[in-house]
Amino acid sequence: GDSVTQMEGPVTLSEEAFLTINCTYTATGYPSLFWYVQYPGEGLQLLLKATKADDKGSNKGFEATYRKETTSFHLEKGSVQVSDSAVYFCALDKAGGTSYGKLTFGQGTILTVHP
Amino acid sequence: ETGVTQSPTHLIKTRGQQVTLRCSSQSGHNTVSWYQQALGQGPQFIFQYYREEENGRGNFPPRFSGLQFPNYSSELNVNALELDDSALYLCASSRIEATEAFFGQGTRLTVV
Repeated sequence: GDSVTQMEGPVTLSEEAFLTINCTYTATGYPSLFWYVQYPGEGLQLLLKATKADDKGSNKGFEATYRKETTSFHLEKGSVQVSDSAVYFCALDKAGGTSYGKLTFGQGTILTVHP
Repeated sequence: ETGVTQSPTHLIKTRGQQVTLRCSSQSGHNTVSWYQQALGQGPQFIFQYYREEENGRGNFPPRFSGLQFPNYSSELNVNALELDDSALYLCASSRIEATEAFFGQGTRLTVV
């Protein structure tokens, strides 16, 4: 079945450091790929997405490129802030065209940024 | 535009009891999906409702059931609660043809 694997956490960085969180997936066909963020005590918020190979999703300084050849969707940010501290989830949605919303999530990566 | 709201925010139930969780979808959305998030894990897809019909189900037993109402609000019902049902239950609303789903803050269920 479909699956998403994220790098082991937690990740601890100093402010302004470079961030990479690795994500690889297993799925047949052409899934859409997402990064969601969960702040303490809150639900999930969509951070960015990419719906086809070589697409780059970006938002709030975060970027991820859909790499079909390596089945990866790594999250990067050039300079993290304390406010980026949260749990980050990589996810895929295999339905295409007419029926989205059935997401398969990775296990999550806890990011802590220190001043 | 109103967001996705879930109720209650927390509740405690005894093993063997039944529970109903509620979700009010975002305005204009016709699809609702439910997820279970165990502590320290990623959310797992339970099922999706579209036009009041179940539109896909994850690997959850039949004691997990749902409803979607004409106003697109939704309920998740769990019968014969087990200790392992303790989790954060998340509702997400979307339009069936759109790639983005909007999540509520979740209901924290504790089964004792």
